[in-house]
Amino acid sequence: DADVTQTPRNRITKTGKRIMLECSQTKGHDRMYWYRQDPGLGLQLIYYSFDVKDINKGEISDGYSVSRQAQAKFSLSLESAIPNQTALYFCATSDGEMNTEAFFGQGTRLTVV
Amino acid sequence: GNSVTQMEGPVTLSEEAFLTINCTYTATGYPSLFWYVQYPGEGLQLLLKATKADDKGSNKGFEATYRKETTSFHLEKGSVQVSDSAVYFCALSDPTGGFKTIFGAGTRLFVKA
Repeated sequence: DADVTQTPRNRITKTGKRIMLECSQTKGHDRMYWYRQDPGLGLQLIYYSFDVKDINKGEISDGYSVSRQAQAKFSLSLESAIPNQTALYFCATSDGEMNTEAFFGQGTRLTVV
Repeated sequence: GNSVTQMEGPVTLSEEAFLTINCTYTATGYPSLFWYVQYPGEGLQLLLKATKADDKGSNKGFEATYRKETTSFHLEKGSVQVSDSAVYFCALSDPTGGFKTIFGAGTRLFVKA
């Protein structure tokens, strides 16, 4: 099983609908992140959480919300989806030390029509 | 603020050619530096890292040296293979703001047989 699992892998939804993307990890890491990937823009940080009680906005949090249900689970919600939220979304984890890497899920491809 | 700038792609090379992907960074402190690779349909995975000035990270024939004087971390490989075709991301671990990872825009590499 993957260390970081995202569900669903692909989703098509209509404008105005609420949608939730889920992420779970078996790394035992305290820190979890949601990134958005658009062609040519790299990864932009949406939200990050340093532990269950600590949630922070990233560069592009407008239109998104998150919930850290447990150390292992971090979900991203689009309250009212719009077409320019069509993108590839990645969840990642790290153990909070500067020298260690981030571990990524395989991504969720979201299309808003 | 902290940022990472990497050369725009796509980069197209023939098999066995020499590869350089440039990366420069801006940071207020002394970050750790990373190269991640994203193969088609997958999430990002760590390729190599360097944690202090003059360190050289290496893996799978790729290498990069942490140059504090030029704030650079260029990725090189002496002889690329078709299987190296992927998107490469330069990143830093931000010493301010709790060591969250900041990514460059990514550089797509195509290697032709």
